[in-house]
Amino acid sequence: KAGVTQTPRYLIKTRGQQVTLSCSPISGHRSVSWYQQTPGQGLQFLFEYFSETQRNKGNFPGRFSGRQFSNSRSEMNVSTLELGDSALYLCASSLGGQGVGYEQYFGPGTRLTVT
Amino acid sequence: DAKTTQPPSMDCAEGRAANLPCNHSTISGNEYVYWYRQIHSQGPQYIIHGLKNNETNEMASLIITEDRKSSTLILPHATLRDTAVYYCIVRVNSGGSNYKLTFGKGTLLTVNP
Repeated sequence: KAGVTQTPRYLIKTRGQQVTLSCSPISGHRSVSWYQQTPGQGLQFLFEYFSETQRNKGNFPGRFSGRQFSNSRSEMNVSTLELGDSALYLCASSLGGQGVGYEQYFGPGTRLTVT
Repeated sequence: DAKTTQPPSMDCAEGRAANLPCNHSTISGNEYVYWYRQIHSQGPQYIIHGLKNNETNEMASLIITEDRKSSTLILPHATLRDTAVYYCIVRVNSGGSNYKLTFGKGTLLTVNP
């Protein structure tokens, strides 16, 4: 079974621009979560989507948004990029059902550099 | 989610067992213990989880103390490829509001030849 895929793997953007990152979960997984990893703050939860609805949200500004499509694929968008948004963005998928499948499987990440 | 405490770093000789401790003294009765690891610049990898009983899978064993205040992840025969940061996380497995993992700083395990 194919793992979680993320595209693109690397991205360089300029301050003020916006960016969209994509995540394809493991087949059959309905929950997709996004995390940001920086050397200073470590791994931080951004948000989680299940059945096209945002179900959980971390403490990030509104410039960070996401969505999920009917095939469970997800995108996250960061508008008005700041230098501090440079990070590894990780996507994780899980079955998402009640009582089962809470293990999350991570993709390789998208390395975003803001200059 | 309950707070966890892990040593910042540990060393292990290749071929020997690696025992990674985690303290979670404030764990609640319905919180599970999860372990993930992250090899440099890759996404975290799920290893194992448990509630009260010891668990074993193809990657590792998880030993949880009877009072559940601490646990140990055991890699029975560590290899150089096991060098990674290991995260211990406790969380509730219920409801739709619990797909958020709170990562601490973890333990950097270095396996030496």
